[in-house]
Amino acid sequence: GQQVMQIPQYQHVQEGEDFTTYCNSSTTLSNIQWYKQRPGGHPVFLIQLVKSGEVKKQKRLTFQFGEAKKNSSLHITATQTTDVGTYFCAGSGGSYIPTFGRGTSLIVHP
Amino acid sequence: NAGVTQTPKFQVLKTGQSMTLQCAQDMNHEYMSWYRQDPGMGLRLIHYSVGAGITDQGEVPNGYNVSRSTTEDFPLRLLSAAPSQTSVYFCASSYTGGGESYTFGSGTRLTVV
Repeated sequence: GQQVMQIPQYQHVQEGEDFTTYCNSSTTLSNIQWYKQRPGGHPVFLIQLVKSGEVKKQKRLTFQFGEAKKNSSLHITATQTTDVGTYFCAGSGGSYIPTFGRGTSLIVHP
Repeated sequence: NAGVTQTPKFQVLKTGQSMTLQCAQDMNHEYMSWYRQDPGMGLRLIHYSVGAGITDQGEVPNGYNVSRSTTEDFPLRLLSAAPSQTSVYFCASSYTGGGESYTFGSGTRLTVV
């Protein structure tokens, strides 16, 4: 079945440094979604990418979908303490039900 | 709109007990699903439903039952709780399940002793 690998599992950064998490699928995806989960909270939808090579920005967050639609990344510029949490990707392929990656936990040190 | 409402927020069970985790949504979403979240394991799909009267198994269905008698409600039943079912459970919904964002409930933290 479809597998979605996400790396790294954890990332410690100093406030102001950049952060990137990567998502790789074993199969071609029809779309990929990104979610953020604050500590003790629930996943909250951030964005969806559909087109090959698509790039979307939300303030300091940049999301990319690979040309082959098998990988994606989330980049945060100049991290802030409010960025702390776990970031999940969720990819949908032949089955429309998304498969979630295991998430990357971002820890920001002030 | 309340979105997706889960009850209870916390629960402690003894091994062998049964219980039902409640999930309700008021967004007229056809698709509803249950996930469990364990440290380092991400979100694993337990069961899902594409509409009233239709349910199907996800990645980790053993030990859990579901039913979908109405569009709004999708309860998850633990038949005989085991310590391995200690986890955080999330209910999520979307309009059709594919190609749209999921709305998650606030979760139920279950401990089985």
